[in-house]
Amino acid sequence: GENVEQHPSTLSVQEGDSAVIKCTYSDSASNYFPWYKQELGKRPQLIIDIRSNVGEKKDQRIAVTLNKTAKHFSLHITETQPEDSAVYFCAASYSMADKLIFGTGTRLQVFP
Amino acid sequence: DAGITQSPRHKVTETGTPVTLRCHQTENHRYMYWYRQDPGHGLRLIHYSYGVKDTDKGEVSDGYSVSRSKTEDFLLTLESATSSQTSVYFCAISKDKADTEAFFGQGTRLTVV
Repeated sequence: GENVEQHPSTLSVQEGDSAVIKCTYSDSASNYFPWYKQELGKRPQLIIDIRSNVGEKKDQRIAVTLNKTAKHFSLHITETQPEDSAVYFCAASYSMADKLIFGTGTRLQVFP
Repeated sequence: DAGITQSPRHKVTETGTPVTLRCHQTENHRYMYWYRQDPGHGLRLIHYSYGVKDTDKGEVSDGYSVSRSKTEDFLLTLESATSSQTSVYFCAISKDKADTEAFFGQGTRLTVV
């Protein structure tokens, strides 16, 4: 079955700097890669996703890149702000699967 | 927010007792999932359902059972709770397949003493 590894487990950056979180997946059939943000005490919420027919996707300060050959994908946050502080989860699935498998999460802290 | 409600929100129970957590949705979504969240392990899939009476095991299904007799309700049962099942449990729903956005409930914090 699918296995998703996520690094780093914690990440501290200065406000205004960029943050990068990386994930690798094992199942070459996976073609859907969402990223979820979970603020303290809240539920995870989707912030961006990418499908395997696209190499990069951007939404304002957030971007996700996908390398299908290497089976890894990354979340990039530019111009970080204190409100970006949260736990971020990557996940992987494919269209014929019935389940979404998550990475272990990255705790991002943005210091003013 | 998607119409998804978990109950109870908090529960403390004793080792060896049965516990049932409920997930209720008003979105008529086909897919429903139960995850547990533990420090260092992220979100791990316990069981999932792709329709009424259609369920399957996830990564960490031992000690758990589920039932889905109606589209809107997905129940997670711990037959005999153990301390290792102390966790935060999240229910999630998605409309069509696992490659569409999943909406999460608020979570249930379960403590087994």
